Amino acid sequence: NAGVTQTPKFRVLKTGQSMTLLCAQDMNHEYMYWYRQDPGMGLRLIHYSVGEGTTAKGEVPDGYNVSRLKKQNFLLGLESAAPSQTSVYFCASAKQGASSGANVLTFGAGSRLTVL
Amino acid sequence: DAKTTQPPSMDCAEGRAANLPCNHSTISGNEYVYWYRQIHSQGPQYIIHGLKNNETNEMASLIITEDRKSSTLILPHATLRDTAVYYCIVRPLIQGAQKLVFGQGTRLTINP
Repeated sequence: NAGVTQTPKFRVLKTGQSMTLLCAQDMNHEYMYWYRQDPGMGLRLIHYSVGEGTTAKGEVPDGYNVSRLKKQNFLLGLESAAPSQTSVYFCASAKQGASSGANVLTFGAGSRLTVL
Repeated sequence: DAKTTQPPSMDCAEGRAANLPCNHSTISGNEYVYWYRQIHSQGPQYIIHGLKNNETNEMASLIITEDRKSSTLILPHATLRDTAVYYCIVRPLIQGAQKLVFGQGTRLTINP
């Protein structure tokens, strides 16, 4: 099992450019999440999804859009990148249900984005 | 969700047990204690979780006090690879997406 795979791992953008980060999981998890992490700070939730075709806003959703067209994929888009979006982005997934295991998130290795 | 308090940093000698404390004095009866860690530049990694009984797995042990207001994560024989930021998170069991909140955690440094 590959777990959670993020692509690309690194990307440099110019202000105003657009791009999409792809997250893919092979664990048949219902829930998927996008977090960002800035230097010296904890992770902040951007958007999340409870299943195919559904998305919801997290703590810091502005400037980002997401889509979950397939259960195994969760895409994070930046329509017009800004320097404030320079960060490391982490995708995570978890299984569904009101069980203690539903809080066990599996994270990807991260995507480092720099906006100039 | 219950707030957690962790020391910002700790040091431990290689080969010794690393004991990481977490205070969660406002924890509710249906809230679990979860521990994750993040090794430099990597994604967070789940370690262990528990409700009220002590738990042990291949990575660590979790000791929760009888009143559940605090807990300790124990790495029994710390190695240099255990150097990481450790996050203590308290979350209830609810239906729907589990929006874990990662605070500042404890930066654990294992010294040779």
